[in-house]
Amino acid sequence: GAVVSQHPSWVICKSGTSVKIECRSLDFQATTMFWYRQFPKQSLMLMATSNEGSKATYEQGVEKDKFLINHASLTLSTLTVTSAHPEDSSFYICSASALSLDQPQHFGDGTRLSIL
Amino acid sequence: AQSVSQHNHHVILSEAASLELGCNYSYGGTVNLFWYVQYPGQHLQLLLKYFSGDPLVKGIKGFEAEFIKSKFSFNLRKPSVQWSDTAEYFCAVKADRGSTLGRLYFGRGTQLTVWP
Repeated sequence: GAVVSQHPSWVICKSGTSVKIECRSLDFQATTMFWYRQFPKQSLMLMATSNEGSKATYEQGVEKDKFLINHASLTLSTLTVTSAHPEDSSFYICSASALSLDQPQHFGDGTRLSIL
Repeated sequence: AQSVSQHNHHVILSEAASLELGCNYSYGGTVNLFWYVQYPGQHLQLLLKYFSGDPLVKGIKGFEAEFIKSKFSFNLRKPSVQWSDTAEYFCAVKADRGSTLGRLYFGRGTQLTVWP
């Protein structure tokens, strides 16, 4: 089946540093990748949608300058949390979808980000 | 905007009991419907999906769901649960058009706990 690899799985860093999270589709070409944030006991909140080779579309309320998304190839998208602060601590999840719109999204394992 | 409601936040059952988790959505057009499961410490996995055709869809691990268009519902069922079904269950809807084509709208999730 379709596999999405997300790396790293856990990051702990100091306030003010930038953190990059990678999302790779291992066995299919992902024209669209999605980035979510999940708070404890809550649902997934879509942050942005990225299509290969174009700028990401951010959801309302998500700071595009803080959460930089790059989707440079059909198998890789990255999310960079710039100048991270404790309130950015969360569980970040990516998903990928193949070219056809009737294909489901396949999810990565998520990245737990802890900012001290 | 589309929304997805899961009315049961936490369901506790004994093994062999029957399960039904409710999911309602608000969208007047054509939708694709999904149930995802998240086992402890793991990524979201697709349980089943509905795109068209028979409104009763069967998924993995004995789960099924019924799409009732008139009720805007897509309830998940399993006749006899097992301890290994303990997980978080998410209902999701994908609209056929919108500002971000292909995006999923998630319910807040239902935590299922099955006692042996």
